[in-house]
Amino acid sequence: EPEVTQTPSHQVTQMGQEVILRCVPISNHLYFYWYRQILGQKVEFLVSFYNNEISEKSEIFDDQFSVERPDGSNFTLKIRSTKLEDSAMYFCASSRDRGGTEAFFGQGTRLTVV
Amino acid sequence: GENVEQHPSTLSVQEGDSAVIKCTYSDSASNYFPWYKQELGKRPQLIIDIRSNVGEKKDQRIAVTLNKTAKHFSLHITETQPEDSAVYFCASGELGTGNQFYFGTGTSLTVIP
Repeated sequence: EPEVTQTPSHQVTQMGQEVILRCVPISNHLYFYWYRQILGQKVEFLVSFYNNEISEKSEIFDDQFSVERPDGSNFTLKIRSTKLEDSAMYFCASSRDRGGTEAFFGQGTRLTVV
Repeated sequence: GENVEQHPSTLSVQEGDSAVIKCTYSDSASNYFPWYKQELGKRPQLIIDIRSNVGEKKDQRIAVTLNKTAKHFSLHITETQPEDSAVYFCASGELGTGNQFYFGTGTSLTVIP
């Protein structure tokens, strides 16, 4: 069964550093998402991406964040100048969304900012 | 924007009993309501979903009901088993838009053997 894969599974970074979280969505999917989940809290939407541009973004997704689809398979989230409060589990998701299908989540990248 | 509320936040049931989790939403444009199960340290996984043109959907021990008029939907788990213990999230969204799914705050379900 196809699945969304994310790398790395765990990333530790020093405050102020830049990190890039990587995702490989399911190959025939058209919509891509980043969500984050601070420990013990609900899943929060960051951004959606379709047709090589941002479709929607939340208030959390400020200038510190950017997304890119550098090639036909990868979808990345870049966090510049990380802060302690960026520590969270980051989930990538993708959906086909034609006639309606669910979003499939990756296994997540746990980001720890120290 | 959409506001999804979920209750209860924690739920404990005896093995074999039923569990019910309820969610409400505010945006009448929402037409898709998935439920995700998240085991500790793992990704959310879709367990069942329902579209707005359907009132009820069942898959073995899991069922979801939707009341569009009242804007609420519920997850029903019958004959609960210890492996059902997890955090369950409801969500709402609009299919075909690529817009975000709005998640509820989660329900931590514990099934006591």
